[in-house]
Amino acid sequence: TQLLEQSPQFLSIQEGENLTVYCNSSSVFSSLQWYRQEPGEGPVLLVTVVTGGEVKKLKRLTFQFGDARKDSSLHITAAQPGDTGLYLCAGEYNQGGKLIFGQGTELSVKP
Amino acid sequence: EAGVAQSPRYKIIEKRQSVAFWCNPISGHATLYWYQQILGQGPKLLIQFQNNGVVDDSQLPKDRFSAERLKGVDSTLKIQPAKLEDSAVYLCASSLGVGRGDPLHFGNGTRLTVT
Repeated sequence: TQLLEQSPQFLSIQEGENLTVYCNSSSVFSSLQWYRQEPGEGPVLLVTVVTGGEVKKLKRLTFQFGDARKDSSLHITAAQPGDTGLYLCAGEYNQGGKLIFGQGTELSVKP
Repeated sequence: EAGVAQSPRYKIIEKRQSVAFWCNPISGHATLYWYQQILGQGPKLLIQFQNNGVVDDSQLPKDRFSAERLKGVDSTLKIQPAKLEDSAVYLCASSLGVGRGDPLHFGNGTRLTVT
């Protein structure tokens, strides 16, 4: 069974703090995607990583793909209340195959 | 471009009743997905279509759930009969279906409450 472990499950921080969310699996990903979901809406894609060791930056968000393509991390610098939401990692196990989601990290950033 | 459209937005039914959800994907997207998202969890794939053929339905409870994709465009997901544990948000997503790293575009979902 393909499984994506995401941690932490909940995170409550103050505005201006830094945080890191982790996504791990025992299987190798063909690609990995990070999504953000707000209440009452569907997930929205933040980034896709496909190459082992790849690092992508999106403003204050930094995404890293592990060298072995089994894990990934999302780092947010100087979090803002607008970053509040559910962050989901999703792994693609075979090229063009199904996308499996982690259980999500619920982030709350307090002003 | 217009996004993925889903209806209804909310549905409340009693257990053992039936319910159907509708999805209209982004024009030109070959792949369509139905996910079930229980409160506080990540989306769980129920079924994946490539055009009008099923690619994966390994986690679809086939004794009560069914799905079809009409002419490779719109799709419906049906539950009959519903159980309490079916209470969840049902998300439809579509993608171009071109391969590795293909991003999914989600609708806003249908929130189902079974009482």
